[in-house]
Amino acid sequence: EPEVTQTPSHQVTQMGQEVILRCVPISNHLYFYWYRQILGQKVEFLVSFYNNEISEKSEIFDDQFSVERPDGSNFTLKIRSTKLEDSAMYFCASSAGHLRETQYFGPGTRLLVL
Amino acid sequence: RKEVEQDPGPFNVPEGATVAFNCTYSNSASQSFFWYRQDCRKEPKLLMSVYSSGNEDGRFTAQLNRASQYISLLIRDSKLSDSATYLCVCPTGGGNKLTFGTGTQLKVEL
Repeated sequence: EPEVTQTPSHQVTQMGQEVILRCVPISNHLYFYWYRQILGQKVEFLVSFYNNEISEKSEIFDDQFSVERPDGSNFTLKIRSTKLEDSAMYFCASSAGHLRETQYFGPGTRLLVL
Repeated sequence: RKEVEQDPGPFNVPEGATVAFNCTYSNSASQSFFWYRQDCRKEPKLLMSVYSSGNEDGRFTAQLNRASQYISLLIRDSKLSDSATYLCVCPTGGGNKLTFGTGTQLKVEL
C-alpha cells in the first residue's frame, strides 16, 4: 500500500538554526500539506500546496516557514530560524484531490529546539 | 463555539462494550467530515468519512446531524486494540485545510 514517508524521524536543533523537514508524498497525489502537533495538543494545519504554489496557509505559517517541491518526489518544509516554540511533531500529508479526498499522513518528524 | 469540539475523555470501557463519542462543529458550510484515529506518538490515520447522514463500517458507525452541527462515532464490541485517541476532523477554508478536534481518548480494558 502506498504511503507518505518523512525524514528524519527525529531532529534536535539549537534555537536560531535552520531546519529542513523532508517528505515523499504518495506518487500520484497532487495536493500536499504540512501539519504540526505540539505535545499534548491538537493537530494544527500549517500549509497546503498544489501546482507548485501555496494554496492556503495558517497564521502559524509566518515568514520563518517556507515550503518547496524541489523535484518530482520530495516536498520540504523549511524553518529558517527555529524558536523553542517550534518544538513539535510535524506531519506531512498528501491527497489525490481536495474537498472530499482523504488526506494520508506520514509518520511525522519530531523536532526538538533547544 | 470552537471550530471543532470534542470531549477529551478518557473513556475507560471494558472489552466488548459499546462506546459513543460526540463532536460539534461551527462551520455550517462543511460538507464532509472525518474520524481519524491516532495512536500515541503516531500519525493520524483515517477511520471513517462521513458525507451524508452517516456511514457504517463493521463495528464502527458514524452519524451526522447537520441541523445540530453534530457528528458521532459509535464503536460496538470494543477491542483492546481500539484503545487510541479518536479525532473529529472537518475540512474548512477552501476545503483543503483539515481542522482537528482535540481528540477523545479511549482505553479499552480487560
